[in-house]
Amino acid sequence: NAGVTQTPKFRILKIGQSMTLQCTQDMNHNYMYWYRQDPGMGLKLIYYSVGAGITDKGEVPNGYNVSRSTTEDFPLRLELAAPSQTSVYFCASSRAEGSFNYGYTFGSGTRLTVV
Amino acid sequence: GDSVTQMEGPVTLSEEAFLTINCTYTATGYPSLFWYVQYPGEGLQLLLKATKADDKGSNKGFEATYRKETTSFHLEKGSVQVSDSAVYFCALTNQAGTALIFGKGTTLSVSS
Repeated sequence: NAGVTQTPKFRILKIGQSMTLQCTQDMNHNYMYWYRQDPGMGLKLIYYSVGAGITDKGEVPNGYNVSRSTTEDFPLRLELAAPSQTSVYFCASSRAEGSFNYGYTFGSGTRLTVV
Repeated sequence: GDSVTQMEGPVTLSEEAFLTINCTYTATGYPSLFWYVQYPGEGLQLLLKATKADDKGSNKGFEATYRKETTSFHLEKGSVQVSDSAVYFCALTNQAGTALIFGKGTTLSVSS
């Protein structure tokens, strides 16, 4: 059981370049999330999705876009990369029923550096 | 809004010492509470959880009790090991149940 798979694990981008961080889960979880983790700042929610075709902004969505065409996949797109987007990005998924969330399963992360 | 406050680290202990990491929360409604652990270079892993008041979550010798009267979910372990060195995150579900809200994390360093 693979859980949540993120690719790539590491990436260096130049300012102004674009890229897509891939995330796939095989647990049939309805909810998926993207977080960024900066030193000493904990995790900040970028975007989340409660099901295929439905996405919503989190705390820090600027500079990012997402789509959810299938239950399994939730890619994160960075357009016009900036140094402020240097961070570790985590994808997560969860099963939720109504207002009850069972908790997250996380991917192993993507370490992105923008130079 | 809903929030989580964890004690600031780093917490430095000797092997076999008693561990407490404090976590308090502010929330409307009745959130579920979680502790996650992150080992160096890895993603976060669920350590334990509690879904209602007075529930005790436990796993791998760690325990935490959901205290509604003090809005707390402190993490404890009776005897830490070097392998417990990691960053520990307290989290709660937001009111809608759509996402988790995380504390800033507490770094634990255990020496032999």
